[in-house]
Amino acid sequence: KAGVTQTPRYLIKTRGQQVTLSCSPISGHRSVSWYQQTPGQGLQFLFEYFSETQRNKGNFPGRFSGRQFSNSRSEMNVSTLELGDSALYLCASSPKQGLDYEQYFGPGTRLTVT
Amino acid sequence: DAKTTQPNSMESNEEEPVHLPCNHSTISGTDYIHWYRQLPSQGPEYVIHGLTSNVNNRMASLAIAEDRKSSTLILHRATLRDAAVYYCILRERANNLFFGTGTRLTVIP
Repeated sequence: KAGVTQTPRYLIKTRGQQVTLSCSPISGHRSVSWYQQTPGQGLQFLFEYFSETQRNKGNFPGRFSGRQFSNSRSEMNVSTLELGDSALYLCASSPKQGLDYEQYFGPGTRLTVT
Repeated sequence: DAKTTQPNSMESNEEEPVHLPCNHSTISGTDYIHWYRQLPSQGPEYVIHGLTSNVNNRMASLAIAEDRKSSTLILHRATLRDAAVYYCILRERANNLFFGTGTRLTVIP
């Protein structure tokens, strides 16, 4: 079974621009979560989607948004990019919601904002 | 989010067992204990999880204290490929994972 895939793997954007990142979960997985990883803050939860609905949200500004499609693929959008948005963005999928299910992470998209 | 405490770093000799401790004194009755690891330049990887009883899988074992205030991840024979940052996480709500700073494991050949 193919793992979680994320595109693109690397991205360079300019401050003020917007960016869209894509995540394809493992086949059959319906839950997709997004995380941001930076050297200073570590891994932080952004949001989670299940059945095309945002179910849970971390403590990030409204510039960070996402959506999930009927095939469970998910996109994350960051508008008005700031230098501090430079990070590794990780997507994780899970077969269902719930505390008893593990999450499977993709390789991440490394975003650099200049 | 429920807090866990782990040593910043540990070392182990190759092919020796490794015991990675985690304290979670504020754990509640419904919190699951999950372990993930992150190898260099990769996304986190699920290792194991449990609620009350000890758990074993092909990667590791999880020993949970009787009062659930601590747990230990056991790698039975450390290999160089096990060098990673190991995160002990309490899953207390919804589907998000709260990652702390983890334990950086160095495996010495």
